[in-house]
Amino acid sequence: TQLLEQSPQFLSIQEGENLTVYCNSSSVFSSLQWYRQEPGEGPVLLVTVVTGGEVKKLKRLTFQFGDARKDSSLHITAAQPGDTGLYLCADLPYNNDMRFGAGTRLTVKP
Amino acid sequence: DTGVSQDPRHKITKRGQNVTFRCDPISEHNRLYWYRQTLGQGPEFLTYFQNEAQLEKSRLLSDRFSAERPKGSFSTLEIQRTEQGDSAMYLCASSLRGPQTSGANVLTFGAGSRLTVL
Repeated sequence: TQLLEQSPQFLSIQEGENLTVYCNSSSVFSSLQWYRQEPGEGPVLLVTVVTGGEVKKLKRLTFQFGDARKDSSLHITAAQPGDTGLYLCADLPYNNDMRFGAGTRLTVKP
Repeated sequence: DTGVSQDPRHKITKRGQNVTFRCDPISEHNRLYWYRQTLGQGPEFLTYFQNEAQLEKSRLLSDRFSAERPKGSFSTLEIQRTEQGDSAMYLCASSLRGPQTSGANVLTFGAGSRLTVL
């Protein structure tokens, strides 16, 4: 059974700081997705990465997929209060059990 | 299209009562998923449908839980004889997958139905 571990579990920073959160899998990802979830809402997809070593940028967010496709990182530059939320990584293969990590809860203080 | 809709958004019930949640997916999506999320955790997979067929069920889905998608459009999730441990956010998501679909499976989530069992 695949296990997804996210770290840190909680992160509280000041506006303007940079941060990195991590997602590690016990087995190779089929495809890795990052979601952000705000309180009282469902998760919203940020990015999908498929190829080992892939790097994707979404404004101030940079996503990296490990060469072995077993880990990923999300780096946020100059964090803003609007970045506050629960960041989830997920492996969503075509026909198998769909799995999410427990998430990193980020708070950005003004 | 207004996205994935879930109803009700909040439900408070007494232990032992039955509750039912409804999910209306994006109209052209053939897959529909149910997840459960408790405080401080990520979503836990419960079950999913391809059109009207229920293709997979998690071990988390006890006999008190039943999900249906009778016409391949909306879905209902019923919990019978609710217990306090059932208190959680129940999330529905949909996606479009099939033999002609390439790329990663992308789920669109609803806002969830929050259940509180007293």
